[in-house]
Amino acid sequence: EADIYQTPRYLVIGTGKKITLECSQTMGHDKMYWYQQDPGMELHLIHYSYGVNSTEKGDLSSESTVSRIRTEHFPLTLESARPSHTSQYLCASSADRGRTQYFGPGTRLTVL
Amino acid sequence: DQQVKQNSPSLSVQEGRISILNCDYTNSMFDYFLWYKKYPAEGPTFLISISSIKDKNEDGRFTVFLNKSAKHLSLHIVPSQPGDSAVYFCAASDQTGANNLFFGTGTRLTVIP
Repeated sequence: EADIYQTPRYLVIGTGKKITLECSQTMGHDKMYWYQQDPGMELHLIHYSYGVNSTEKGDLSSESTVSRIRTEHFPLTLESARPSHTSQYLCASSADRGRTQYFGPGTRLTVL
Repeated sequence: DQQVKQNSPSLSVQEGRISILNCDYTNSMFDYFLWYKKYPAEGPTFLISISSIKDKNEDGRFTVFLNKSAKHLSLHIVPSQPGDSAVYFCAASDQTGANNLFFGTGTRLTVIP
């Protein structure tokens, strides 16, 4: 199983603030993903990356941005947080030839 | 339009009995299917997967069955234990993109001691 870490686990922040959610994995996986999940709903893919310097938007439109400068690190940034961004954000990774994604513990974001 | 559907939002089962969780999909290009278990405020934990070239995969108490013609898969847990109580998500992927996953809305399983 992949070791994948997310910080912070919980974040409560005011409207208009800039935030960065951190995601790191230690398995050397090339592919990384960000999902958003609201209670009782499915996980929606918002960003993914094939590897360093590769980022793509997912199926769910998101105002967030991502970067992939290092293989192990895939941070997500919101330039100006709004209450509509309140959700759980989940990071995942998979090996280049693997089909199974392994998830981090998630960040629960609340924007007041 | 949701491509993976879990029509039962909840399921209660007595400890020791079988739990059967169901999942339907619409996209015939999906060729890899997974089940994840999720506790509140935690990330999903991978349980078991199956490729479309198989119709059954077993791992300990967990067995996944795939019926391609019906576009249906199920997860069987035998015997069910109280620690199995969680939300179970079905997911599917095709070979486009980065093998992105499409998730169902989950089924909350409660195993009654």
